[in-house]
Amino acid sequence: NAGVTQTPKFRVLKTGQSMTLLCAQDMNHEYMYWYRQDPGMGLRLIHYSVGEGTTAKGEVPDGYNVSRLKKQNFLLGLESAAPSQTSVYFCASSPGASLRTEAFFGQGTRLTVV
Amino acid sequence: AQSVAQPEDQVNVAEGNPLTVKCTYSVSGNPYLFWYVQYPNRGLQFLLKYITGDNLVKGSYGFEAEFNKSQTSFHLKKPSALVSDSALYFCAVTDLNFNKFYFGSGTKLNVKP
Repeated sequence: NAGVTQTPKFRVLKTGQSMTLLCAQDMNHEYMYWYRQDPGMGLRLIHYSVGEGTTAKGEVPDGYNVSRLKKQNFLLGLESAAPSQTSVYFCASSPGASLRTEAFFGQGTRLTVV
Repeated sequence: AQSVAQPEDQVNVAEGNPLTVKCTYSVSGNPYLFWYVQYPNRGLQFLLKYITGDNLVKGSYGFEAEFNKSQTSFHLKKPSALVSDSALYFCAVTDLNFNKFYFGSGTKLNVKP
């Protein structure tokens, strides 16, 4: 039972480069989320999706884009990476409001922008 | 808007002693509250939740939390701490539709032998 899988686990980018983080879940969850974790700031929501084909902005969406073309996948894109985007990124999924249950997290992607 | 606050950046406790990690919340409507634990270089693991019902909620690894509506608190507790409990703990709350989970800033728990 894989749960939530994030790819890659580590990445170093140069300023201005682009990349896509992939999140895949095998629990048939409706909702998916992208968070970033920075020291002393907890987890901040970047973007989220409440279903296939839908996305919405979270607390810190600037500099990121997302897509949810398939229910099981949620992609986070950085078009032009900046040092301020150095962080640990977590993807999560949840069944949605009907079950009122917790979110399940991936293992994280540690991104360094130099 | 929903929010949670964890007033302590760090909590130190001796092994075998009881531990408390504090969380207060601010919500519109009924609160749905969660505790997660994060070990180094790992993702967040769910510990327990309060949705409705009994104010004392029991969860994984011997942890429990008490929901206190009058004090808007949801403190995490354990009667006897273990060194292996040392980790980063996050309190979280959702909005009414579970569209978003809002996290506190985290509390680092250090349990010393």
